[in-house]
Amino acid sequence: KQEVTQIPAALSVPEGENLVLNCSFTDSAIYNLQWFRQDPGKGLTSLLLIQSSQREQTSGRLNASLDKSSGRSTLYIAASQPGDSATYLCAPSNQAGTALIFGKGTTLSVSS
Amino acid sequence: NAGVTQTPKFQVLKTGQSMTLQCAQDMNHEYMSWYRQDPGMGLRLIHYSVGAGITDQGEVPNGYNVSRSTTEDFPLRLLSAAPSQTSVYFCASRGKSQEGEKLFFGSGTQLSVL
Repeated sequence: KQEVTQIPAALSVPEGENLVLNCSFTDSAIYNLQWFRQDPGKGLTSLLLIQSSQREQTSGRLNASLDKSSGRSTLYIAASQPGDSATYLCAPSNQAGTALIFGKGTTLSVSS
Repeated sequence: NAGVTQTPKFQVLKTGQSMTLQCAQDMNHEYMSWYRQDPGMGLRLIHYSVGAGITDQGEVPNGYNVSRSTTEDFPLRLLSAAPSQTSVYFCASRGKSQEGEKLFFGSGTQLSVL
């Protein structure tokens, strides 16, 4: 059974810092991996999707990498802003692509 | 283009009552799914559908029924509500190309079972 672990569980940083969120998963037979953002009381928004054949994806200040063989993904946030405060969730899909397995998330707080 | 719409946003039930959580998407997505989110447990898949007339179970299907009669709608039915079904429920959808398609989520239904 796929298990997804996200470290750290919570992170507080001052505005402007570069930071890395870590995700590890136990089964490397995945179809793709997504990083989501969730604001309190809201739904999830997909930030980046890395296909199984890719190593990284970039969108603005966000960069996600994937190392399937070691079961690891990282989300890099450059020049953090207070508006980045949210919970970030990592979710590899199963090999059939029919289900995402979610980690418990990293709750990020960026202070101005 | 409304995306994924869930109704109601909040619901309180008594143990044993039944109800249907509604989910509709206007993106012509073939894949739709239901997740529940519980503190300390993360999001877990309840049921999913890869197209009209096709449904399958996820990780935690007991106590829930689904059907997919149209591409747009994927309702989740609670047959006899139990306090253990108190949770936030999310519907999500994506297009046919599962490798390259992001999953779009609704805003959720917060359900309390007393």
